[in-house]
Amino acid sequence: NAGVTQTPKFQVLKTGQSMTLQCAQDMNHNSMYWYRQDPGMGLRLIYYSASEGTTDKGEVPNGYNVSRLNKREFSLRLESAAPSQTSVYFCASSDRGGGPSLQYFGPGTRLTVT
Amino acid sequence: GEDVEQSLFLSVREGDSSVINCTYTDSSSTYLYWYKQEPGAGLQLLTYIFSNMDMKQDQRLTVLLNKKDKHLSLRIADTQTGDSAIYFCAESIKDSNYQLIWGAGTKLIIKP
Repeated sequence: NAGVTQTPKFQVLKTGQSMTLQCAQDMNHNSMYWYRQDPGMGLRLIYYSASEGTTDKGEVPNGYNVSRLNKREFSLRLESAAPSQTSVYFCASSDRGGGPSLQYFGPGTRLTVT
Repeated sequence: GEDVEQSLFLSVREGDSSVINCTYTDSSSTYLYWYKQEPGAGLQLLTYIFSNMDMKQDQRLTVLLNKKDKHLSLRIADTQTGDSAIYFCAESIKDSNYQLIWGAGTKLIIKP
């Protein structure tokens, strides 16, 4: 039971290059999330998927696209990377129901755009 | 709009209690959470409290909620070096589609 896995762990891109960050969870969770973390700013939600087949914008979606490939996998794509997208990216998943939204996080992808 | 605020740093001596504070603005909070992030790692859920509760205790951790003042605190008893981390407060609000509103995190520094 690996929980939430992310690939790659580290990436360096040049401005204008594209890449896809991969995320998978094995907890049978319905909801998945992509966040970015910048120093002193906490977590900012980029996109989320409340259930398989749906995606919605979060607080900072510009410059990103997502795909909920199936219930397990949720990918984040940078079409044309910019230095402002240098950050640590976290994927998370949670179950749905009437109770708390307990989000479980992956280890993160550290992205540098030069 | 919704906002969650925390101090950026807290320094305590090893063996003392640490109290990390958080304030929030949305009165429709349903649950409030504390997460821990160790260096180079993802966030780990520590504990959560339902908004109708005043207190929750789990081993060395005590969560206090003052709903009137919209103030949440996390007390760590007998603080150890392994408690060095960034602690994030978060809230979920009614009809938020399970999104969380996050504080900026408090870095806990342990002095020997």
